[in-house]
Amino acid sequence: DTEVTQTPKHLVMGMTNKKSLKCEQHMGHRAMYWYKQKAKKPPELMFVYSYEKLSINESVPSRFSPECPNSSLLNLHLHALQPEDSALYLCASSQAGTGGWNTEAFFGQGTRLTVV
Amino acid sequence: LAKTTQPISMDSYEGQEVNITCSHNNIATNDYITWYQQFPSQGPRFIIQGYKTKVTNEVASLFIPADRKSSTLSLPRVSLSDTAVYYCLVGDDRSQGDDKIIFGKGTRLHILP
Repeated sequence: DTEVTQTPKHLVMGMTNKKSLKCEQHMGHRAMYWYKQKAKKPPELMFVYSYEKLSINESVPSRFSPECPNSSLLNLHLHALQPEDSALYLCASSQAGTGGWNTEAFFGQGTRLTVV
Repeated sequence: LAKTTQPISMDSYEGQEVNITCSHNNIATNDYITWYQQFPSQGPRFIIQGYKTKVTNEVASLFIPADRKSSTLSLPRVSLSDTAVYYCLVGDDRSQGDDKIIFGKGTRLHILP
């Protein structure tokens, strides 16, 4: 199984809502990533978990809260988002401890988030 | 992480070979070169990775000259379904222990019938 599964595929939320994005992989990867992608822009790294510990936070606003409950699951909790946070949110996984290099990263299909 | 420069966009025709070149002048000794493909509203997909010389798989070839300051992704006999954004990434497998994959601007490839 070389899939990274993200749910939901689409999400519309109000600015006062709390929602969560979920990501799951069963490849035994110990590095998991969250990216944000706006239209016609490259994916922008948000968070990295290595061995279930948050190793990188790219100065992401606190209204985005990541969580890694176990080695297969990654969540992104959303609260009080702004319309400009509307984007495609991508999850990825890879072998850990390699800087993300000399390894293939697998990406999910993403969650299309719209904040109204 | 080494900075990469790619053409913003390219057009080609079905059945032709397409070569996309990426410049990475400050590539470090331990850096690998990796290419990803992304279709609209989908996650990026790994295409190929190399360190030096030539790498070939069922999808593409990657040519890396001896000085490693550039690399060329070669897609043989493209079809309309190869229309996508192609990203060149360069990075070090010992990047201070941080697992970090950073995307540059990418090349938007448009295949015409």
